[in-house]
Amino acid sequence: DTAVSQTPKYLVTQMGNDKSIKCEQNLGHDTMYWYKQDSKKFLKIMFSYNNKELIINETVPNRFSPKSPDKAHLNLHINSLELGDSAVYFCASSQDRGGRSPLHFGNGTRLTVT
Amino acid sequence: GENVEQHPSTLSVQEGDSAVIKCTYSDSASNYFPWYKQELGKRPQLIIDIRSNVGEKKDQRIAVTLNKTAKHFSLHITETQPEDSAVYFCAASVGGFKTIFGAGTRLFVKA
Repeated sequence: DTAVSQTPKYLVTQMGNDKSIKCEQNLGHDTMYWYKQDSKKFLKIMFSYNNKELIINETVPNRFSPKSPDKAHLNLHINSLELGDSAVYFCASSQDRGGRSPLHFGNGTRLTVT
Repeated sequence: GENVEQHPSTLSVQEGDSAVIKCTYSDSASNYFPWYKQELGKRPQLIIDIRSNVGEKKDQRIAVTLNKTAKHFSLHITETQPEDSAVYFCAASVGGFKTIFGAGTRLFVKA
């Protein structure tokens, strides 16, 4: 059973389109995250939700909108996709909200914008 | 500011040798320091972590040391094997509410 699952695994789309990535965790964790990993492998935090409440919103363009319908789900919607949005997007969860416990990552969604 | 620096960016060792990766952090309030291993095309996975009340922690061939005064922490892998080849990330808790990652070290273990 996959602890943190995200879909789709691959997403290829054209500039200007809108797309969504979904994430679900069955670990009973209260906190979920979106991280972006660029082509140089750098992992950068984008958003964090704790029990459906947004607690971290890094300097991400407002074309990116996270949504957490419940504490087990965190989705990411991206409007007006740009070439620079191409990256691997990882969902993750942790037991606490303070960055003081391990992150459990999903398998990633490779987004390619053409 | 929030910063975690990691060195080297690439490390190549012979099988059986040791590998050391070093990180520094800027937030003196950081108190949790995990290390993640990411194999090609896969997700990052925790391999070891250390908290600020501990100076060293070991798990089989992997050890982590922490120097809070100098804001340094290091990963040591002994008796490296080809399957240790991966990208390794250090990380630190920052601001009491998030995890910031270093830029990663690509480790090659030559058989």
